[in-house]
Amino acid sequence: DTAVSQTPKYLVTQMGNDKSIKCEQNLGHDTMYWYKQDSKKFLKIMFSYNNKELIINETVPNRFSPKSPDKAHLNLHINSLELGDSAVYFCASSLRDQGAYEQYFGPGTRLTVT
Amino acid sequence: AQSVTQLGSHVSVSEGALVLLRCNYSSSVPPYLFWYVQYPNQGLQLLLKYTTGATLVKGINGFEAEFKKSETSFHLTKPSAHMSDAAEYFCAVSVRTNAGKSTFGDGTTLTVKP
Repeated sequence: DTAVSQTPKYLVTQMGNDKSIKCEQNLGHDTMYWYKQDSKKFLKIMFSYNNKELIINETVPNRFSPKSPDKAHLNLHINSLELGDSAVYFCASSLRDQGAYEQYFGPGTRLTVT
Repeated sequence: AQSVTQLGSHVSVSEGALVLLRCNYSSSVPPYLFWYVQYPNQGLQLLLKYTTGATLVKGINGFEAEFKKSETSFHLTKPSAHMSDAAEYFCAVSVRTNAGKSTFGDGTTLTVKP
């Protein structure tokens, strides 16, 4: 009965590789987000989709490409991984019609680039 | 654009003492305000939120926060700290007109001493 799930939980890879992270929510929400949390715990929004439409696209290298096949799923593909991409990536979801946009977070994917 | 400032990146209290975590916001339109908690190696979890109406809001685990428009503040309090309250706390602000984007503060690490 997990609300927001992410796979994988841990990802260790080498520089230059391409990797994907998947996110799924079963809350019936219409909006999903990707956040990056660095080693100092700072949380930065990367992307947001509402009903499969990209609505937030922050200043992120174009090596990062989100994709939302339906409103319950949001994936993140990263090309040519760099050391600086090492972080915890969180997926979150919310119901836009509620107006307040309280967000429900997944457990995170810890990405380590060596 | 909205912003959030959390005063004090680290707060340490003794078990049983008052917890006070400070948050000030900036917004040109009425804000929605949130406090989230992040336990080690977990995602963020909503503690409480302010949308409209009553300015004193109660959340989970005995926490509460008061919206003070004149002071642009939304400080988080708990009368008596418990060891299990040790975590990272994030204040966040969003507004209805900004596509659901929440802006998070830099976080405050709460340490509870026995």
